[in-house]
Amino acid sequence: GENVEQHPSTLSVQEGDSAVIKCTYSDSASNYFPWYKQELGKGPQLIIDIRSNVGEKKDQRIAVTLNKTAKHFSLHITETQPEDSAVYFCAAQYRQGAQKLVFGQGTRLTINP
Amino acid sequence: NAGVTQTPKFQVLKTGQSMTLQCAQDMNHEYMSWYRQDPGMGLRLIHYSVGAGITDQGEVPNGYNVSRSTTEDFPLRLLSAAPSQTSVYFCASSSPKTGNYGYTFGSGTRLTVV
Repeated sequence: GENVEQHPSTLSVQEGDSAVIKCTYSDSASNYFPWYKQELGKGPQLIIDIRSNVGEKKDQRIAVTLNKTAKHFSLHITETQPEDSAVYFCAAQYRQGAQKLVFGQGTRLTINP
Repeated sequence: NAGVTQTPKFQVLKTGQSMTLQCAQDMNHEYMSWYRQDPGMGLRLIHYSVGAGITDQGEVPNGYNVSRSTTEDFPLRLLSAAPSQTSVYFCASSSPKTGNYGYTFGSGTRLTVV
């Protein structure tokens, strides 16, 4: 089955700086890669996703890049703000058509004012 | 739209007790899934359903049962609770046939088994 590794497990950046979280996956057949943000006491919320036929996708201050050859994808947050503090999860969909997501272990991002 | 609604939000069970975690969605999503979240382990898939009447196992199905009699509801049953099932449980739904691949998650049920 699919295995997703996420790094780092914790990340602390100064407000206004950029943050990068990286994930690798094992199944070359995986074709959908979402990122979720989870705030304390809440369920994960989809913030951006990318499909395997696209190398990069951007939405305001967040962007995701995908390198299919190396089987890794990354989340980039620019101009970080205190409200970006949360736990972020990457995921990969395996077994095409079954919509089964495998999640990384999570990254706790702290934005320091 | 309420999205995905999970009940209860908190539950304490004694070892050996059974219970059902409820999940309902009002978005007419065909896919529904149950995940458990444990510290340092991300979210792990318990069971999923691709439509009413169809269910399948995920990574960690032992000790759990599901059924999908309607599109809206996807309850998760703990047959005989064990301390290892102490976790936060999330239900999620999506609709690939309408291009909505991203899961919408509920707010979770925090379960403690003593």
